[in-house]
Amino acid sequence: ETGVTQSPTHLIKTRGQQVTLRCSSQSGHNTVSWYQQALGQGPQFIFQYYREEENGRGNFPPRFSGLQFPNYSSELNVNALELDDSALYLCASSLDSPLLGYGYTFGSGTRLTVV
Amino acid sequence: GDSVTQMEGPVTLSEEACLTINCTYTATGYPSLFWYVQYPGEGLQLLLKATKADDKGSNKGFEATYRKETTSFHLEKGSVQVSDSAVYFCALSSADAYSGAGSYQLTFGKGTKLSVIP
Repeated sequence: ETGVTQSPTHLIKTRGQQVTLRCSSQSGHNTVSWYQQALGQGPQFIFQYYREEENGRGNFPPRFSGLQFPNYSSELNVNALELDDSALYLCASSLDSPLLGYGYTFGSGTRLTVV
Repeated sequence: GDSVTQMEGPVTLSEEACLTINCTYTATGYPSLFWYVQYPGEGLQLLLKATKADDKGSNKGFEATYRKETTSFHLEKGSVQVSDSAVYFCALSSADAYSGAGSYQLTFGKGTKLSVIP
């Protein structure tokens, strides 16, 4: 098992720019979710992909979008960055239902700073 | 909607002291409940979970019991160590644990920072 790998670890962008964050899921995991964790807060659910299709979305605007690839790696894209988008972005993968077994495996996150 | 409320931190304890971090929730149906731990510079790790009322989750000396009557899932440990210093998050999922129906999204509390001093 290689765990969940996210890249880059840190990123600084300017307001209005676009950003792509990447996640390599744990081997064999077919479900991936993305979370936004603002400083001092708990993670907030952005969306989830299961076998390359979005099957759940949190309260985030359409400028937050994602993709999951056949090898189950995934991307989070954010357009028209705002200062409030500054946060730690966490990727989590699981095999089918994350409620059974060991649940989600989280990556260490990408720290995005928007200036 | 679903929500999780956990005690505000930070919490500072001496080594070998008892720990309780309170967590209450609001959810429809019968949610699954979780405690996650986040060490500095790392992602979240599942500490323990419970999927139905009266279940007790346990791991590494930590325990939490799913109390439906009080909608609570308090985290406890009898004797903390310096290595337990981290941020602890209570979370729930409204998806059915066995059929998979519903969204798998996790709703988290704000986290409680624990510092254990020697």
